[in-house]
Amino acid sequence: QVQLVQPGAEVKKPGASVKVSCKASGYTFTAYYMHWVRQAPGQGLEWMGWINPNGGATYYAQKFQGRVTMTRDTSISTAYMELFSLTSDDTAVYYCARDTLAGRPDNWFDPWGQGTLVTVSS
Amino acid sequence: EVVLTQSPATLSLSPGERATLSCRASQSIDTYYLAWYQQKPGQAPRLLIYDTSNRATGIPARFSGSGSGTDFTLTISSLEPEDFAVYYCQQRTNWPISFGQGTKLEIK
Repeated sequence: QVQLVQPGAEVKKPGASVKVSCKASGYTFTAYYMHWVRQAPGQGLEWMGWINPNGGATYYAQKFQGRVTMTRDTSISTAYMELFSLTSDDTAVYYCARDTLAGRPDNWFDPWGQGTLVTVSS
Repeated sequence: EVVLTQSPATLSLSPGERATLSCRASQSIDTYYLAWYQQKPGQAPRLLIYDTSNRATGIPARFSGSGSGTDFTLTISSLEPEDFAVYYCQQRTNWPISFGQGTKLEIK
């Protein structure tokens, strides 16, 4: 079955960066766009952007442009999201979520990884 | 940015009752450009409904979606114990993709 596996947690200091991984299995990794969505504690969902694993093209929400980089390693079917210049406002669970349509972004998300809690604290 | 406002914030119902959750958009959304997700505590969201009214794979028939323009609805015809969770709507009409703030469905 399709699975997206993420590390459980990361702790970072303000000003640092974090790189979250998302290992995919059960499908052809390069066939589906991968999205990243975050959720601050007790809050709603915020879409950050997508990467096309086939070629590496990216599209970021304007809020994160200049501060986020999404990459992938097709040899190990893994997508990455790196966020720079962290502040306490970046404390959140970061999810990867596969697009539902092969070949182009349909912009529905299914399935989701289990999430990585990134805590930014001095 | 399209702002999605969900109501009510919290809905208290009993198993077997009908649940009606609302999602209102700040501007008109293309008919097939709204989805609903369910999130249980400590879990990732799960896609329930896409293209306004299509159930995702494995989603029971008691879940249905409807609406157009700026007003959309998720209906759960007869609540099961496992349906008590937080529900989010999401739009893809305009960038950035955005979500509502959620409706918590709790047991009365």
